[in-house]
Amino acid sequence: QSVLTQPPSVSEAPRQRVTISCSGSSSNIGNNAVNWYQQLPGKAPKLLIYYDDLLPSGVSDRFSGSKSGTSASLAISGLQSEDEADYYCAAWDDSLNGYVFGTGTKVTVL
Amino acid sequence: QLQLQESGPGLVKPSETLSLTCTVSGGSISSSSYYWGWIRQPPGKGLEWIGSIYYSGSTYYNPSLKSRVTISVDTSKNQFSLKLSSVTAADTAVYYCARPLMGATKRPDGWFDPWGQGTLVTVSS
Repeated sequence: QSVLTQPPSVSEAPRQRVTISCSGSSSNIGNNAVNWYQQLPGKAPKLLIYYDDLLPSGVSDRFSGSKSGTSASLAISGLQSEDEADYYCAAWDDSLNGYVFGTGTKVTVL
Repeated sequence: QLQLQESGPGLVKPSETLSLTCTVSGGSISSSSYYWGWIRQPPGKGLEWIGSIYYSGSTYYNPSLKSRVTISVDTSKNQFSLKLSSVTAADTAVYYCARPLMGATKRPDGWFDPWGQGTLVTVSS
């Protein structure tokens, strides 16, 4: 079981804003950078946010990341139907000496 | 543009060894800034990191899989490989290869980018 906890699902109407939480501990989020991945249906995951709050080239600025203590968040503003996907947070865990993924959150656009 | 492509059998019998290869194109596997890794995803479930390897052969493994996993690298072929022994139905998953950035501490603790398209491996007799 994952050491990073996310809500199983979130839903919101188009053009609205959703936030996905990612709860960890001092050995992972509290001491290492958080990355976020977007997985569209039937596709491989894609890097969405790195180093807590940085956007890779080509990623829409409707996506934003933040971190405070042992928790992180991903926000999607101006929600669009194309944002329907699974989202995973991830970070290195010093105790496990390995990379851990969050439990994943399914975003549904109503 | 760097691309990764997984290859290997799609069906493995229980108790046997799962073997996959990831071929890297558009860049060198001997890059000093990156590791190379494997991640899997059982059908309908979340992502699980399996392990990562540096071109020199240095490895990091998921503790929960460490006793069954071997990741190796072939720099001459620009490939790295995964072997998972004594498989059971619980090892049925889509297996992805991806490139994690090497962090300041020389661990593969950076983000994974890019990813291969993934390959489904089913464990069944």
